[in-house]
Amino acid sequence: AQTVTQSQPEMSVQEAETVTLSCTYDTSESDYYLFWYKQPPSRQMILVIRQEAYKQQNATENRFSVNFQKAAKSFSLKISDSQLGDAAMYFCAYGRGNAGNNRKLIWGLGTSLAVNP
Amino acid sequence: DTAVSQTPKYLVTQMGNDKSIKCEQNLGHDTMYWYKQDSKKFLKIMFSYNNKELIINETVPNRFSPKSPDKAHLNLHINSLELGDSAVYFCASSQEINNEQFFGPGTRLTVL
Repeated sequence: AQTVTQSQPEMSVQEAETVTLSCTYDTSESDYYLFWYKQPPSRQMILVIRQEAYKQQNATENRFSVNFQKAAKSFSLKISDSQLGDAAMYFCAYGRGNAGNNRKLIWGLGTSLAVNP
Repeated sequence: DTAVSQTPKYLVTQMGNDKSIKCEQNLGHDTMYWYKQDSKKFLKIMFSYNNKELIINETVPNRFSPKSPDKAHLNLHINSLELGDSAVYFCASSQEINNEQFFGPGTRLTVL
């Protein structure tokens, strides 16, 4: 069975600095997707970034980028130039490719990120 | 335009009552989900429907009953509410193409 592990329950970063949140996963499949979701205090779940396993290039969305290491089954999120609005709970999730109608995502326990002014 | 909407956003009720939460998505997705998020922020999948058919039914008390009248709607009815049901309940939807799930704003249920 697939698992997702976020080993850092809490992290903090100074405003304008860079922080990396770690995520590792376990799967025997070769076709899958990985996601980082952000949940600010408003509790809305927001997709930050998505990575397709078949793509070697790391996904990037503005100040957010991932370091996807398929062989190591690692999917870390880097936030550059951290802003106060980045303070949130961050969840890593795994989804099977070609899942048909059974598209359950496997979720990590989350990392709470504080941004210090 | 709201993509995934839930009503109500807040629900406070007494133990033993029955309540419903409604969810609608206007994204044209074929799959919808209910999640429970406890006080420790753990996200637990409860149910998933694909084109009105129940696909995922995790270990959830049978006091929880989902209903999907059409593929744009997924409601959650909870009978005989208990203190432990207090949580935030999220509805989400997805399309097959890349598994990305879109979430509603959540319903904070408080059972007194």
